[in-house]
Parts: sequence; C-alpha cells; structure tokens
Amino acid sequence: GAGVSQSPSNKVTEKGKDVELRCDPISGHTALYWYRQSLGQGLEFLIYFQGNSAPDKSGLPSDRFSAERTGGSVSTLTIQRTQQEDSAVYLCASSRQGGDLETQYFGPGTRLLVL
Amino acid sequence: AQSVTQPDIHITVSEGASLELRCNYSYGATPYLFWYVQSPGQGLQLLLKYFSGDTLVQGIKGFEAEFKRSQSSFNLRKPSVHWSDAAEYFCAGTKHASGGSYIPTFGRGTSLIVHP
Repeated sequence: GAGVSQSPSNKVTEKGKDVELRCDPISGHTALYWYRQSLGQGLEFLIYFQGNSAPDKSGLPSDRFSAERTGGSVSTLTIQRTQQEDSAVYLCASSRQGGDLETQYFGPGTRLLVL
Repeated sequence: AQSVTQPDIHITVSEGASLELRCNYSYGATPYLFWYVQSPGQGLQLLLKYFSGDTLVQGIKGFEAEFKRSQSSFNLRKPSVHWSDAAEYFCAGTKHASGGSYIPTFGRGTSLIVHP
C-alpha cells in the first residue's frame, strides 16, 4: 500500500477484556515495529519484527501483551485482560529492511481507551 | 542508560519567528539521531537524521539540526516558522537491537504552538 495503515483508529473497551490491534506495513517492508505513546510521554518501544520473527521483544510491558506477524506482512498486537493503564495510542512503523540507515514510516495509530 | 531528553514540554512562537527545539542525548558512543514531527491525528514523519560526517543536517520543510558532541545535543532549528508547523516534535536516538536493527529511543516530545 501507499503507507502504513492501522485498524481500528479508535477502540474503547472495558477493563478485563482482550483487544487486537492490526498493522498493515508498506508493501515489501520486512521490518515492523510497535510502539506505545501514553499521554505526555514519548514513544515506548514494544516489539520489533524482521519478517515473521521477533528478535527483540524487550519492550513488551507484561505477559498480557503479545504480537505476531504472518506472511511477512500484517501484524497483530494483542492485549489480554486490559487494564486502565493500557490506555494509550499504539503506533506501528515499518522500514525496508530494518537497517540503521533506514527511515521508519509510521501509521496513524490506534487510540485505545480502557474504561 | 541510553536516553534522549527534550527539556521543553511546550514552546510558543509567533509566525515568522525563528525556532529552536532542544534535545540532549546520553549514550556510550555517538548515537544515530533523528527528529520526527507528529501532526494531530497523524503518525510520525521523519524530518531529518544524523549518522556521521557534517554536523549540520538539513531536513524537510526547511528544518535543520546541529549535532554538538561537546554538549551532547542535537537541537532542531528553523529560521522562520509557519502556522502549519504547529505540531509535536520528537527527538530520538538509536540503540542497537538483536537482529541487526536499530531501535529508536524517543524523547517525551515538545509541543510547538504558533501564534499568528
């Protein structure tokens, strides 16, 4: 596609429910990143994919968070048993190969509100 | 620990005035440094990046940034601000991750307000 897309744009859920956030990277990009942006905070790195594998999961805040990527394309970030502190904007980015010289292209984000 | 600090949460300037947004980094070695802009409801867009060489980096939309090793700074500048520049600006530095990638560490952001 022309850019990175994310769905849904907004998600309101109740505490304790599970949510799935989707990211469609730019076609052909092998590297994919998930970040969390909380109010007044910078971007917090969550997880990085190279193809379908995740060599760096160091940013996942708890075992309630998981992510997968299939076919080297679409990625899903799942949050189980959501808590109010999970409320944030979740951003996805992709780059061609994940190298140090490459630009990351960001999607518009999914705004998650946990009531 | 590797970190990027943006000391200013908000900056207000008049349209046509010059702008400087501050960024300081703390890394064991010279990091790769980036500035991103986030307009309301939009994802982040890369303005410019520094890897090595010339310490004055030119970016898109008339922005530039200067790397100063002695001050551990990478401040963003623009000589004349336009109303459309009102946005959130993020400075980022990279850390090497497993798998050969470089994961940016972001500052908290500086919100730019432009008065007419």
